[in-house]
Amino acid sequence: DAGITQSPRYKITETGRQVTLMCHQTWSHSYMFWYRQDLGHGLRLIYYSAAADITDKGEVPDGYVVSRSKTENFPLTLESATRSQTSVYFCASSDGIGRSGNTIYFGEGSWLTVV
Amino acid sequence: GDSVTQMEGPVTLSEEAFLTINCTYTATGYPSLFWYVQYPGEGLQLLLKATKADDKGSNKGFEATYRKETTSFHLEKGSVQVSDSAVYFCALAGGSYIPTFGRGTSLIVHP
Repeated sequence: DAGITQSPRYKITETGRQVTLMCHQTWSHSYMFWYRQDLGHGLRLIYYSAAADITDKGEVPDGYVVSRSKTENFPLTLESATRSQTSVYFCASSDGIGRSGNTIYFGEGSWLTVV
Repeated sequence: GDSVTQMEGPVTLSEEAFLTINCTYTATGYPSLFWYVQYPGEGLQLLLKATKADDKGSNKGFEATYRKETTSFHLEKGSVQVSDSAVYFCALAGGSYIPTFGRGTSLIVHP
């Protein structure tokens, strides 16, 4: 059972380049999320998706684009990378949200450095 | 909106010491409450959860009780080990909303 996988795990890119972080889950969970983790800020939600072809903004969506053409994939694209987007990015998935108590399952993270 | 407040870290303890990490929340209604743990270089994983008032979640020697009267969900462990060194996140999920995470508390356990 592969679970949720992210790629690449580590990436160095230059300012202004487009970068896509991939996320794949094998559970057919309806919800998928992208978070970034930065010292002093904890986890911040970038975008989420409730189902294929349904996406919505989170707390910090500027500079990012997502798509979800298939239930199992949820790529995150930085259209023109900036140094402030240097961070660790986590993809996650869940069967549901709200007070039903569904667990969120996280990938191992993608370390992105923008130089 | 919903929010979670965790004690700031790092929390530094010696092995076998008692651990408490405080978590309080603000939410309407009756959210579910969670503790997630992040070991170095890894993603977060669920440690324990409670879905209604007075429920106690427990796992790997960790416990937390959902206290509606004090809007708290403090994490405790009677005797920590070096392998418990990690970052701990309190989270809540209320209504039909995306879960809200606290900022995380780093725990460092020395031999």
